[in-house]
Amino acid sequence: DAKTTQPTSMDCAEGRAANLPCNHSTISGNEYVYWYRQIHSQGPQYIIHGLKNNETNEMASLIITEDRKSSTLILPHATLRDTAVYYCIVRVVGNAGNMLTFGGGTRLMVKP
Amino acid sequence: DAGVIQSPRHEVTEMGQEVTLRCKPISGHNSLFWYRQTMMRGLELLIYFNNNVPIDDSGMPEDRFSAKMPNASFSTLKIQPSEPRDSAVYFCASGTQASSTDTQYFGPGTRLTVL
Repeated sequence: DAKTTQPTSMDCAEGRAANLPCNHSTISGNEYVYWYRQIHSQGPQYIIHGLKNNETNEMASLIITEDRKSSTLILPHATLRDTAVYYCIVRVVGNAGNMLTFGGGTRLMVKP
Repeated sequence: DAGVIQSPRHEVTEMGQEVTLRCKPISGHNSLFWYRQTMMRGLELLIYFNNNVPIDDSGMPEDRFSAKMPNASFSTLKIQPSEPRDSAVYFCASGTQASSTDTQYFGPGTRLTVL
């Protein structure tokens, strides 16, 4: 699976949009971009994933650049409960090698 | 939906003792994963099963670790004998191997402390 690069930490004001970037310049054509987050003392939680089109669900939006070498996770109205470590992962879907390889992630601190 | 269930949530044991961690995946999921998380190494995949069959155990640190999945609704991770360096949070996750979704759902974890 392709390697990803994320900032170590970010701050965001409560109620504002949180934009978390991820670089994955070596992504392959059949690799998806996944985002998970881990709130303190809990297991990782799936947020969203996409291949090349932008995606939106009830939690977040995922913007993938046209060349697919980077993406941005957007939390439109961050709350204090969104404080967590956010992991960007690229991986092939639907075969026996469907493992998640977690990097260091971005520690997002939402401040009042 | 109860989600992935793990037990115990906390385990404190002494070096040399056997430790068994348990996991009940989400009903209908056919893949199960065991991860370990430490401050030093982050989240690491230990082993995963597909349709109850171990597919990749290359992440299992050594022979002291073993995992089984006797049926679709239960898996165990055993450490025998345990050592202080095994202290970590152990997560179980389950998922379905589908072409367009294939997400993993994590349990709350078992915090293991080996004294």
